[in-house]
Amino acid sequence: DGGITQSPKYLFRKEGQNVTLSCEQNLNHDAMYWYRQDPGQGLRLIYYSQIVNDFQKGDIAEGYSVSREKKESFPLTVTSAQKNPTAFYLCASKTSGGAGETQYFGPGTRLLVL
Amino acid sequence: GQQVMQIPQYQHVQEGEDFTTYCNSSTTLSNIQWYKQRPGGHPVFLIQLVKSGEVKKQKRLTFQFGEAKKNSSLHITATQTTDVGTYFCAGRSNTNAGKSTFGDGTTLTVKP
Repeated sequence: DGGITQSPKYLFRKEGQNVTLSCEQNLNHDAMYWYRQDPGQGLRLIYYSQIVNDFQKGDIAEGYSVSREKKESFPLTVTSAQKNPTAFYLCASKTSGGAGETQYFGPGTRLLVL
Repeated sequence: GQQVMQIPQYQHVQEGEDFTTYCNSSTTLSNIQWYKQRPGGHPVFLIQLVKSGEVKKQKRLTFQFGEAKKNSSLHITATQTTDVGTYFCAGRSNTNAGKSTFGDGTTLTVKP
């Protein structure tokens, strides 16, 4: 059963704590993305990776870090430097090259700071 | 940087009425995608447009890509309660290889 999985579904963080959100895909996609969505708002790009061991900052990378050690995995760490981390985090993947731009999204992780 | 704007932000319609959302980019796009996000869910891909002036239909949904490849629209004929959700456009310009910029979305509510 192919797709993208994100865990956990809900995550609570204490102030000053780093937390890591998981994103795994078995679609054999080269590119993976992390977005942040605030209530009633659109998707803002945090980081993206087009190939293993390489990634680029998106529009709101400050306070976040990522790694891409394996093709199927793209974890996102929300660091204590991110002052307003409460949001819905979405991971997506797509094949690279050609005209195809379809992104497949995971179910998301809702992060709440206590 | 590239900006993608969508209007309206919210649209409330009576079931059976038509609905249209518009997407405008500050730069020329190589392609544009449309996604639908149901309340509490994640975005799901609807369609991609690539050619200037392209029109595609999916049952009651009609998608258009402008001649200048800077704007797009999604039109729903005779809305149903199942159409409720937020519709996003996402465009990729030739200068932003590898990533698309999402609009803020149009949230549609349908009154039965």
